[in-house]
Amino acid sequence: AQSVTQLDSHVSVSEGTPVLLRCNYSSSYSPSLFWYVQHPNKGLQLLLKYTSAATLVKGINGFEAEFKKSETSFHLTKPSAHMSDAAEYFCVVSDPQGAQKLVFGQGTRLTINP
Amino acid sequence: SQTIHQWPATLVQPVGSPLSLECTVEGTSNPNLYWYRQAAGRGLQLLFYSVGIGQISSEVPQNLSASRPQDRQFILSSKKLLLSDSGFYLCAWNRVAETQYFGPGTRLLVL
Repeated sequence: AQSVTQLDSHVSVSEGTPVLLRCNYSSSYSPSLFWYVQHPNKGLQLLLKYTSAATLVKGINGFEAEFKKSETSFHLTKPSAHMSDAAEYFCVVSDPQGAQKLVFGQGTRLTINP
Repeated sequence: SQTIHQWPATLVQPVGSPLSLECTVEGTSNPNLYWYRQAAGRGLQLLFYSVGIGQISSEVPQNLSASRPQDRQFILSSKKLLLSDSGFYLCAWNRVAETQYFGPGTRLLVL
């Protein structure tokens, strides 16, 4: 069975400082991994995805994530936080079988301080 | 390009009343379709998925049901709502082995 653990339920940073959102996964297969962002009362938007190509994945809005198989991690980073980055972030692993069911982490709420 | 629609955007219903939430996808054919629920302060839980018309798989036992009467239409229903059915319901689609894309969601409050 696949699972995802987001290590922080809430992260707070100042505008202009780096962002680090941590994610560890467990998978019996070669996983596909995703980060989605959800702004308040909105649907989910894909930030980036890893599908066994380059281990450093660049996404939208300056975010990137690095797949580290030895550490079973897929942490999300951004060099400089912007106020508009305040949102809920979900790390997700996919089940490659059948209808590609997604398994979500519990989410990390990112707060940006002015 | 493909788009996914959900309606209504917000719904307030009394306990025991029926429910029907609709999801439609444009710009693609034979998509996989998914219903998720997000309870307050929690991650998303997969409720149902469908790989074709009339084909529904349920992930968790619950008070809800799903139907796919047309290729690009996915409906979430209940005959009698419970308080615990409150939450944010998200529909998603993809093609096999590709990224899932989510709709704007429906916020359901059962009183």
